[in-house]
Amino acid sequence: KAGVTQTPRYLIKTRGQQVTLSCSPISGHRSVSWYQQTPGQGLQFLFEYFSETQRNKGNFPGRFSGRQFSNSRSEMNVSTLELGDSALYLCASSFGGISGELFFGDGSRLTVL
Amino acid sequence: SQELEQSPQSLIVQEGKNLTINCTSSKTLYGLYWYKQKYGEGLIFLMMLQKGGEEKSHEKITAKLDEKKQQSSLHITASQPSHAGIYLCGADGNNAGNMLTFGGGTRLMVKP
Repeated sequence: KAGVTQTPRYLIKTRGQQVTLSCSPISGHRSVSWYQQTPGQGLQFLFEYFSETQRNKGNFPGRFSGRQFSNSRSEMNVSTLELGDSALYLCASSFGGISGELFFGDGSRLTVL
Repeated sequence: SQELEQSPQSLIVQEGKNLTINCTSSKTLYGLYWYKQKYGEGLIFLMMLQKGGEEKSHEKITAKLDEKKQQSSLHITASQPSHAGIYLCGADGNNAGNMLTFGGGTRLMVKP
C-alpha cells in the first residue's frame, strides 16, 4: 500500500515568490491535513481538507492557502514568501474520522532566501 | 488555545536503560497521541489514548494518560538505538481528530 507522497521534497525560493506543494494521500483517505514544522515554533497545524472542503483552519495568514481535488489529492500554496516561511511542510492523510491516526508524508523542505 | 509542554526537551541514554517522556496539557485532553519522527522525515503514529487512566503498550513502549492531571507519559523499557528520534505528543484540539496541537518534542539519543 503506497504511503503519503509529497512533492517536491526540497525547494529553494526567494522572498516575494510563491510556491505550490503537492500531497497525494493514501488511497481511500478523504482527509488531508497540512502542518508547518520549524525549529522555533515546532509543528503547527495549517488546515485540513475533507471531500474538497476546508474543514479546519489554523492560525496562519491568508498567504497560506490550500485546496483538495476530487481524487483527494491536495495542494497548498504560499504567496509572497517571507524568510520565516522556511520550514518543513508536512502533509497527513486519514479516512476523516476521529481516530486521530494520521499518516504523514516525508514533507517538503522549503528554503526561502 | 491548547498548549502542550514536553519534558525533557532532549535525552541521551545508554542502550538498555529505561526512560520516560512527559507531556502536559494546558487544557482538557479529548485525546492524546504519540508520534515518533526521524530527522527530516514524517511522523509515525505510535499510540492514541482517550480515556483517563488508559494505558497502551506496543513492543517496549508504554503510554499512559492521567486525565485529571491533563498529562501523559511515554515509557521506553530497555532502550535500543532504533528508539532514537524525536517523540511528539499531540492533542485533539476540537475533538475531531484531524486538527492536532503538538508539543515541542523530545529528542532521544541512545548510545550503544
